[in-house]
Amino acid sequence: GAVVSQHPSRVICKSGTSVKIECRSLDFQATTMFWYRQFPKQSLMLMATSNEGSKATYEQGVEKDKFLINHASLTLSTLTVTSAHPEDSSFYICSASVGGREKLFFGSGTQLSVL
Amino acid sequence: GENVEQHPSTLSVQEGDSAVIKCTYSDSASNYFPWYKQELGKGPQLIIDIRSNVGEKKDQRIAVTLNKTAKHFSLHITETQPEDSAVYFCAASTDTGNQFYFGTGTSLTVIP
Repeated sequence: GAVVSQHPSRVICKSGTSVKIECRSLDFQATTMFWYRQFPKQSLMLMATSNEGSKATYEQGVEKDKFLINHASLTLSTLTVTSAHPEDSSFYICSASVGGREKLFFGSGTQLSVL
Repeated sequence: GENVEQHPSTLSVQEGDSAVIKCTYSDSASNYFPWYKQELGKGPQLIIDIRSNVGEKKDQRIAVTLNKTAKHFSLHITETQPEDSAVYFCAASTDTGNQFYFGTGTSLTVIP
């Protein structure tokens, strides 16, 4: 299957700082990337959908200015959590699909802890 | 929109027994149904998928069945092993949309 690389796997930061998470498709071009948030023992909560070269589409209730998404190329999307607070602590996972119709592959996730 | 329900939420089986996880969906336009396995602290991994023009698909110890009329699909794991212990998610998607709708997950524990 296709490989989606996500970094970092774990980050601990102080409240008020910004954190950037990278998601790369290593062996295919991802026209669409998705960002999810997952709380312990819960399902995946879609935060936003990003298409290369255009603005991300955010799900209802997700703050655009808080969670900045950039999909500058067909192989890279980034999620920046701005002015992070303890309530932003969570497991963030990216995924990528080819052509929007094909299989969805996930990154390994990023555990964010805000102190 | 699509609504995917998944049962059971937790499942414990003895090693060697079979495990079955069931999902239902609401949108008849959904035509692609993947299953993911998520181990603790990792991202979900695609383990098997099925499209609506197929009723069953098998890959070694895992199989997926689809009943389009009833709008439900199931994951079957035979001869379970401790390493099968994980959270399993079902999902549904359509060709017309660019979204995947996930079930709430099933925590499977295989008891040695």
